[in-house]
Amino acid sequence: DTAVSQTPKYLVTQMGNDKSIKCEQNLGHDTMYWYKQDSKKFLKIMFSYNNKELIINETVPNRFSPKSPDKAHLNLHINSLELGDSAVYFCASSSDETLPYEQYFGPGTRLTVT
Amino acid sequence: GNSVTQMEGPVTLSEEAFLTINCTYTATGYPSLFWYVQYPGEGLQLLLKATKADDKGSNKGFEATYRKETTSFHLEKGSVQVSDSAVYFCALTRGGGFKTIFGAGTRLFVKA
Repeated sequence: DTAVSQTPKYLVTQMGNDKSIKCEQNLGHDTMYWYKQDSKKFLKIMFSYNNKELIINETVPNRFSPKSPDKAHLNLHINSLELGDSAVYFCASSSDETLPYEQYFGPGTRLTVT
Repeated sequence: GNSVTQMEGPVTLSEEAFLTINCTYTATGYPSLFWYVQYPGEGLQLLLKATKADDKGSNKGFEATYRKETTSFHLEKGSVQVSDSAVYFCALTRGGGFKTIFGAGTRLFVKA
């Protein structure tokens, strides 16, 4: 059983387009995250939702909009894509009930903007 | 603020060599500490963890000890294998646990 899944795995699109990445977790966790990983493997948190409520919103262009329809899903919509958005995007989840709150990551979505 | 600093890579070793990847942190209070591993083309996965001073986390032959006096959580393995080639991330979580601070990652190459 896949714990955290993302679709699509690869996404190639042109500048200016709008695209979405979907994430689902079947672990029963209350908190979900989106991270961006650049070509040097640096991992940057973008957003975090706890029980469908936005709790972390780092300095991210407002072209990026997360949506959490329920606790098990956290989708990422990106408007007007730019070359600099090319990266691997990871979804993750964690439980907020038991220490030490380790995170479970999805397989990633490699976004290429041309 | 909270931060994690880990040694820059890449680290290149021969099979069966001893591995150390240094990690130091800055945080108030008592954070939980983690090592995550990312194999090529995959997401990060938890390798080991420690929640209080002097705790030793271990998994798959890897070990790390939570040292509060030196604010460190160095990763060690006595004999690396080619299959250990990956990127290793040191991380900390504190407070409500909603934000994890990751280090920059250290790439490890193991040669046969």
